[in-house]
Amino acid sequence: GESVGLHLPTLSVQEGDNSIINCAYSNSASDYFIWYKQESGKGPQFIIDIRSNMDKRQGQRVTVLLNKTVKHLSLQIAATQPGDSAVYFCAETYSGNTPLVFGKGTRLSVIA
Amino acid sequence: DSGVTQTPKHLITATGQRVTLRCSPRSGDLSVYWYQQSLDQGLQFLIQYYNGEERAKGNILERFSAQQFPDLHSELNLSSLELGDSALYFCASSPRQEGGYTFGSGTRLTVV
Repeated sequence: GESVGLHLPTLSVQEGDNSIINCAYSNSASDYFIWYKQESGKGPQFIIDIRSNMDKRQGQRVTVLLNKTVKHLSLQIAATQPGDSAVYFCAETYSGNTPLVFGKGTRLSVIA
Repeated sequence: DSGVTQTPKHLITATGQRVTLRCSPRSGDLSVYWYQQSLDQGLQFLIQYYNGEERAKGNILERFSAQQFPDLHSELNLSSLELGDSALYFCASSPRQEGGYTFGSGTRLTVV
């Protein structure tokens, strides 16, 4: 496969450290948010979602935090592994009836 | 394998030509979405179909069109191709008009 080669901000972390990826969303009316992971040569893959009536949601090694006051999302990855190296996108929608709008993405690079 | 199938995986064509990209959604998914991913624009929503009907339109050029067939597969037609149309084109599907999407692995279009 081939990577898109997007011109993206990059976050480099040591293997085993925690990673925090941030996203500022655009629409204050958005009420459903999703984080996606895109590995080189593949399509975006669902990681975790959160609705606006929550401010935190945890999955396996991942946590999403939502701050509606400042329209900010973050994705925390615990004990980052080489397999976590990818581009991460946040996406937002309003009441699920509008198509997902994706943020610009952040490239996570894990240093072994 | 996400269950969303896109063909072809790679396509190289000349300016002015027309191509058709095909997407088969996950079994049971009624909604199909098309996104374009280029170097500078990230993932841009093009168009959505739900159970054969167009539901939402994004930044889709007039040279581009799409349809969803009775068996729920979808085709994206790109005509009068320009160099700037070179990008990854992703199809995604979901069970309803809302919720998280499952993406295919994309079609890389190169216009020369």
